[in-house]
Amino acid sequence: QSALTQPASVSGSPGQSITISCTGTNSDVGRYNYVSWYQQHPGKAPKLMMSDVSNRPSGVSNRFSGSKSGNTASLTISGLLAEDEADYYCSSYTTNSPYWVFGGGTKLTVL
Amino acid sequence: EVQLVESGGGLVQPGGSLRLSCAASGFTFGSYVMSWVRQAPGKGLEWVSGISGSGGSAYYPDSVKGRFTISRDNSNNTLYLQMTSLRAEDTAVYYCAKGTTYYDFWRGSDYWGPGTLVTVSS
Repeated sequence: QSALTQPASVSGSPGQSITISCTGTNSDVGRYNYVSWYQQHPGKAPKLMMSDVSNRPSGVSNRFSGSKSGNTASLTISGLLAEDEADYYCSSYTTNSPYWVFGGGTKLTVL
Repeated sequence: EVQLVESGGGLVQPGGSLRLSCAASGFTFGSYVMSWVRQAPGKGLEWVSGISGSGGSAYYPDSVKGRFTISRDNSNNTLYLQMTSLRAEDTAVYYCAKGTTYYDFWRGSDYWGPGTLVTVSS
């Protein structure tokens, strides 16, 4: 069982917006602004999409945005494109071992 | 262009050892924290070790502490992971990942290698 809880799957139609949640505790997501998000296409390495909750790396589309409220972080993708279909993982610093934890992943399907 | 290329994976028997390498290029290697993250077949991501830019500080989760050792050679831009007492549950693709800061591996990894598969089986 993963330390951070994500929905197993979400879906949306092209052009729509979707939000993926990532729920932790007050020892990780709720305490630190060190939440990052990764996109992973099948058979490929993960790609950083967001760091420090809402910092978008250079080259990542501004259709991606991050936020946090209490123990839950969120990744929102607006204007869905077919190429956004992938697995998405959140991660956070946590007070005790293992220090850096990931969510179980969310499969995004673009209908 | 930043490039990370892992090598050293393969089939190993339970209780055996393996050393992974990651050749880095395209950035000032010694200025960034580096991590190893693994992914078991069909499963999610799991961080297994991190090392500061100088190599002076290394971190592990309890699941691999005492069995895995991370190290780096900044003169040759290479990251290593020495794995001992391997178990079936260590079977995974192992990724080398570059951090975004000198020390804080938990703040995200902006470049990842393609990964190398480690299979622990008799």
